[in-house]
This record gives sequence, structure tokens and C-alpha cells, in this order.
Amino acid sequence: QKEVEQNSGPLSVPEGAIASLNCTYSDRGSQSFFWYRQYSGKSPELIMSIYSNGDKEDGRFTAQLNKASQYVSLLIRDSQPSDSATYLCAVKRGDTGFQKLVFGTGTRLLVSP
Amino acid sequence: GAVVSQHPSRVICKSGTSVKIECRSLDFQATTMFWYRQFPKQSLMLMATSNEGSKATYEQGVEKDKFLINHASLTLSTLTVTSAHPEDSSFYICSADRLAGIKETQYFGPGTRLLVL
Repeated sequence: QKEVEQNSGPLSVPEGAIASLNCTYSDRGSQSFFWYRQYSGKSPELIMSIYSNGDKEDGRFTAQLNKASQYVSLLIRDSQPSDSATYLCAVKRGDTGFQKLVFGTGTRLLVSP
Repeated sequence: GAVVSQHPSRVICKSGTSVKIECRSLDFQATTMFWYRQFPKQSLMLMATSNEGSKATYEQGVEKDKFLINHASLTLSTLTVTSAHPEDSSFYICSADRLAGIKETQYFGPGTRLLVL
């Protein structure tokens, strides 16, 4: 079982729709969760971090965390063609202590005009 | 967000030469930096964790004598690919941990594209 699992996609949504990206993780000791966006040929860019169960909203993005189910998701409202990218879920065991991130393989999102 | 820079952004070199890549945290101090490699259409692969003032920690399968890492200051880490070969051609990306309160968040540099002829 992979430590962090994501559906590779592509996930195709029309412009203006809600895109829902999902991620599961295997380490119950994980405490820090991140979503990164990576455009083709570019490096990852941080979108959201979440540490507590529940929802966290930032503009059109909402991260959802359920530690009991070991599940974290990212919702993108009013999806735009510029949101087309690969979205990487990343998990860290602690919140300090110079710990490495464990990445999923990413979900490719395609938003059609 | 925090700013992490890398230099050079692109390098082409001959087989057998060494290439140095610099990673700098521009607006914060980073005790820990990370080096990743990404081949086309593949996932990020962590190569090593670089800690300021101490030896880097390499991931399994990464040759420490081939990929030399030096984290000489709180804002600079360097990766030297020694005796580069065509199979080392890849996208090398660094990241730095920024501490905000009690939380650490990792920010990525723009990456360095290496082509070994």
C-alpha cells in the first residue's frame, strides 16, 4: 500500500464547475497535510495546508481533512481553465522537526472552456 | 508565500563534467532544505534532506558521492552532480522549510533543468 494515494486522473470538469480532488494516506501518525499545484514543466506551488479535522477555505479552494478516515480532499469552486494542472497531495508526520513530505503521485485536472 | 530561488534555471553540459546547482531562501532562514528530482511525466522523487551545518541525509538508492550536498548557511544549499552522465538529465528541484509559529511549510524553488550530452 502506498503511503499517500491519489487517483492519477485525468479529472475533467467544465469551466465553472466544482473540481473535487481526493487523497488517502496510510500513516495514522500524520499531522500535517498539504496540497500543491504543479503546472507542466514547472515546480510545485503550495495551495493549502491543513492540520485539523474539518474544512479550511481560501478563496476558491477548500481543503477537507478527516483523520479518522485518513482522507484529505481539495475542492476547487468555479474551476477555470488556468486551474488545469497536476495537484499533489503531501503528508508529514509531524508539524516541526525537519521532517520530509510524503507525496502522492498527483491527480491531473483538466478544466475545459 | 515564501520565496525560494534556484540557479541556474537550465544547464547543458558534457558527459563527465560536474554541475553545481544553488538553492536560496530569499526571505526566510531555512535550517532544512530538500532536493528532489523529477523525470518527465513522473512523480517527484526526494533525493536528500539537507540540514544546515551537518551532513545531508540521502534517500535509499541515491549515491551520496555522486550528488554532493552542502548546506553552508541558513539561506543556501548546493547540489553538485559529479561526473554527470546522460541518465542524470532531469529536472532538479529544491525546497526549503519555513517555520511559522510551530508549523513548518515547505516551499519549492523554480527548478533546474539539466541536460547532459
